[in-house]
Amino acid sequence: NAGVTQTPKFQVLKTGQSMTLQCAQDMNHEYMSWYRQDPGMGLRLIHYSVGAGITDQGEVPNGYNVSRSTTEDFPLRLLSAAPSQTSVYFCASSSIGRGDNSPLHFGNGTRLTVT
Amino acid sequence: AQSVTQLGSHVSVSEGALVLLRCNYSSSVPPYLFWYVQYPNQGLQLLLKYTSAATLVKGINGFEAEFKKSETSFHLTKPSAHMSDAAEYFCAVSEPESNFGNEKLTFGTGTRLTIIP
Repeated sequence: NAGVTQTPKFQVLKTGQSMTLQCAQDMNHEYMSWYRQDPGMGLRLIHYSVGAGITDQGEVPNGYNVSRSTTEDFPLRLLSAAPSQTSVYFCASSSIGRGDNSPLHFGNGTRLTVT
Repeated sequence: AQSVTQLGSHVSVSEGALVLLRCNYSSSVPPYLFWYVQYPNQGLQLLLKYTSAATLVKGINGFEAEFKKSETSFHLTKPSAHMSDAAEYFCAVSEPESNFGNEKLTFGTGTRLTIIP
């Protein structure tokens, strides 16, 4: 059972380059999200999606784009990387509903350095 | 708006001693509260969650937390620390009465727990 799979694990970019962080889940979860983790700041929500074709902004969306063409995949795009985007990025997914539903399942992260 | 505050970015305890990690929350509606653990180079794993049932919640690996509405707190405890408990711990809150409240979590800044042999 793969869960949430993120690729690549590590990436180094030059300022201005673009790239896509991949996230895939095999649990048929409707909800998917991207967080960035920075020292002393915890995890901050970048974008989220509640189903194919539906995305919305989180707390820190600037500089990032997302799309959700399938239930399984939720890629995060950096169109023009900046040093401030150096961070560890986590993808997380869960089912949607009230009550005692499933918690967020996290991938193992992508460590991105922008020079 | 919802938020959580974790007091102490680093906590050190001796092996076998009590673990106490503090979390206070702010929420405009009765919240759901969570504790997650992150081991080095891994993603976050759920330790336990409070979803308005029993105020004392038991989680995995011997951890538990008590929801105290009067103190707006959700502190994490474990009676006897083990070396394997060394990790970073995150408190998180959601507002279940808002759209997708169960899923949109707001995280604290984390507490790194070190166990002294």
